[in-house]
This record gives sequence, structure tokens and C-alpha cells, in this order.
Amino acid sequence: ETGVTQSPTHLIKTRGQQVTLRCSSQSGHNTVSWYQQALGQGPQFIFQYYREEENGRGNFPPRFSGLQFPNYSSELNVNALELDDSALYLCASSSRGQIPNSPLHFGNGTRLTVT
Amino acid sequence: GQQVMQIPQYQHVQEGEDFTTYCNSSTTLSNIQWYKQRPGGHPVFLIQLVKSGEVKKQKRLTFQFGEAKKNSSLHITATQTTDVGTYFCAGPQGGSEKLVFGKGTKLTVNP
Repeated sequence: ETGVTQSPTHLIKTRGQQVTLRCSSQSGHNTVSWYQQALGQGPQFIFQYYREEENGRGNFPPRFSGLQFPNYSSELNVNALELDDSALYLCASSSRGQIPNSPLHFGNGTRLTVT
Repeated sequence: GQQVMQIPQYQHVQEGEDFTTYCNSSTTLSNIQWYKQRPGGHPVFLIQLVKSGEVKKQKRLTFQFGEAKKNSSLHITATQTTDVGTYFCAGPQGGSEKLVFGKGTKLTVNP
């Protein structure tokens, strides 16, 4: 069984730039969620993708966008980076089915630093 | 919006002591989940509780879901250094798939 993999592991960007983070979900999982975790905080829900469509969004501006591909992998795009976007970005896959809120399987995350 | 609060924020214990973290939601939850995040790591799923008053055990860990399904607790008996990490509870917002995480309780264990 292949776990959730994210790339890159670390990234340094300048304010105003754009970034794309990638995630491969665990085999057998059809849903991908993205979370932002600031230092010392709990993960904050950005959005979730199911069947290649956004299925729920947290309190993040439109410059945060995403995609899910037919193989269930996903991308998180952030435009016009701000200093406050510096955080650990976590991708989590799950298997949406009869059980609501099936457990999340997180990747190791991408540490984004905006200078 | 829905809030999930955890206390304490930090807990330092001597190895062998017990540890408890508490989780409270501003709304009734359909279920609650617990995750553990080791330093420098990612959250790892521990357990999901669904029924009112449910109690589940995993070796030295005991999880409870309150009767009103608005609070939960995690108790670790006789802590070990391998228990070090931050423990998060998380509950769904409304009927959605969005999980709202608490800020976590960071546990340190002195050998």
C-alpha cells in the first residue's frame, strides 16, 4: 500500500510569487483534502476534492485554488503569495463512502517559506 | 463558526505518570477523531468515536466521547517517551466533510 506523498518537501518563495504543491493520494482513496498548519497551531482546512470537483472550502481567499486529477492526485496553487502564507501545507487522502468523515491519511507536508 | 477547543495547551510529565487532554466543541458532533503529530512529523490518525458515551481503548490510551457528543478526552496511562507529540482532536463542521481541528495538546515526557 502506497502512502500519501507530497512534493516538494521544502520551498522558499518571494512575496507576490505563485506556488504549486503536489500530492499523490494513498492507493484506494478517492478524496483529497488540503490543510494549512501554522507553527504551533492545528491544521486549518483549505478545501477538499472529490471526483475532480471542489467539495467544501474553508476560510481561505480565492487565490488558493486546487485541482484533482483522474488518478486522484491533486495540486494546491497559491497566487500572490503573502508573508502569512508561510506554513506547513498538508495533503490528506481518504476514502469517501458509507462512513461519514472517514479518517484522514496525511502526507509529510510541504514547508513553504515566503520572504 | 464551529470551534473546537483543547486543554491544556501544554503538558509536561515524568515518565510513568498519567496524562489527559480534553476536547470541547461549540456544537454537537456526529463523530470525533483523534490524531497524534510527532515533532517534525505529520498528523497520524488514532481513532474515531461515533456513539454518545462511547469509550475505546488502545493499549495504554483510553478515548471517551461525551454523552452530549460535544466533548471528548484522551487519557494515557503510564506515559512513555514514545508518547511525546501533539495530540489533536477534530470534528466535522455541520454535516460536511470539513474537519475542524483543535489547537492540540503538546505532551513532553521526561525520562
